[in-house]
Amino acid sequence: AQTVTQSQPEMSVQEAETVTLSCTYDTSESDYYLFWYKQPPSRQMILVIRQEAYKQQNATENRFSVNFQKAAKSFSLKISDSQLGDAAMYFCAYRRTYTGANSKLTFGKGITLSVRP
Amino acid sequence: NAGVTQTPKFQVLKTGQSMTLQCAQDMNHNSMYWYRQDPGMGLRLIYYSASEGTTDKGEVPNGYNVSRLNKREFSLRLESAAPSQTSVYFCASSERDSRFGSGANVLTFGAGSRLTVL
Repeated sequence: AQTVTQSQPEMSVQEAETVTLSCTYDTSESDYYLFWYKQPPSRQMILVIRQEAYKQQNATENRFSVNFQKAAKSFSLKISDSQLGDAAMYFCAYRRTYTGANSKLTFGKGITLSVRP
Repeated sequence: NAGVTQTPKFQVLKTGQSMTLQCAQDMNHNSMYWYRQDPGMGLRLIYYSASEGTTDKGEVPNGYNVSRLNKREFSLRLESAAPSQTSVYFCASSERDSRFGSGANVLTFGAGSRLTVL
């Protein structure tokens, strides 16, 4: 079974600074997808970024980028130029490569990010 | 606005009572899911429905039943609520998201339903 581990329960960053959130996972699959979701106080789950395991290039979305290390099974999220609106809980998630209509995600326990003004 | 709508947003039950959480999506998605979120546990899959007319158990199905009423609606029922079912419940649906290229379905979540069982 796949597992996703987020070992840091909380982190804090100064506004405009850069922060990195860690995630490791365990799988025997060679092809899969990894995601970072953001959950602000509104509780809505918002997709931040996605990485396909077969791609060596790290995904980027504006101020958000990942450091994907497949051999180490590591998938960290870097937030540059942190903004107050980035304060939220962040979840790392894993999904097997699409093989039908099954798109189940396995989530980590989440990390709470606070941003200091 | 298009999206996933859950009702109710808040509910308090007594042990042994039953209730149904409703979920509807208007994005014509095939797959729908129910997750529960507990402190320190992340999100865990309860049930999912790959398409209309099909449902399958997830990681923590005990104590729950689901119905995929039609393509839009996927309900979660607690037949005899227990305090261990106190949680925040999320419904989600999935379809390909063009922002992230082809091949991977991305989940769209509802706003969540906070359930307390006394």
